[in-house]
Amino acid sequence: SAVISQKPSRDICQRGTSLTIQCQVDSQVTMMFWYRQQPGQSLTLIATANQGSEATYESGFVIDKFPISRPNLTFSTLTVSNMSPEDSSIYLCSVVPGSTEAFFGQGTRLTVV
Amino acid sequence: GQNIDQPTEMTATEGAIVQINCTYQTSGFNGLFWYQQHAGEAPTFLSYNVLDGLEEKGRFSSFLSRSKGYSYLLLKELQMKDSASYLCAVKDSNYQLIWGAGTKLIIKP
Repeated sequence: SAVISQKPSRDICQRGTSLTIQCQVDSQVTMMFWYRQQPGQSLTLIATANQGSEATYESGFVIDKFPISRPNLTFSTLTVSNMSPEDSSIYLCSVVPGSTEAFFGQGTRLTVV
Repeated sequence: GQNIDQPTEMTATEGAIVQINCTYQTSGFNGLFWYQQHAGEAPTFLSYNVLDGLEEKGRFSSFLSRSKGYSYLLLKELQMKDSASYLCAVKDSNYQLIWGAGTKLIIKP
């Protein structure tokens, strides 16, 4: 199993600013996943973060908007840059430490005003 | 393309049984997962099926038929706290999780 500490749990931000979300895992994992979940919808994968290499972004998401850092095997950050109200969402980090289930951080509820 | 279908919303009565269906079309299959997500919280793992058949875990059971691309989650003796969204997810040939849109389950007294 894995325990993930995600910060902040929520924030209200002004449009045009940036917010960095942090995830700390209690064990070493190769890949960390960043998701967005808009109200009433399911999870959308933003990118996969690997230690020591560039993150892999899904269609519709770009590094300039969502830069990711992965300095070691237990930590990652996702920045939401130049925010607009459309970025209001819940952001979740996730790991799959073995071959089975995914574990999630508590989520960051972002509101852009 | 890859696709997972599940009903958008279901309603059931406290103490009853409800079955939430999930059908999938993915490039390869390396397991199917069910997660529960209460409003405003992160998803939590419920069950995992990789072989055909029924997996039982207390009040919750999950069934898989790989030939039909079909699974269901069965919830028995429903309690008010079971009101949540239930997400079906499939791990594809690249071991990437493909998520369904979720089924919002409403429990009425």
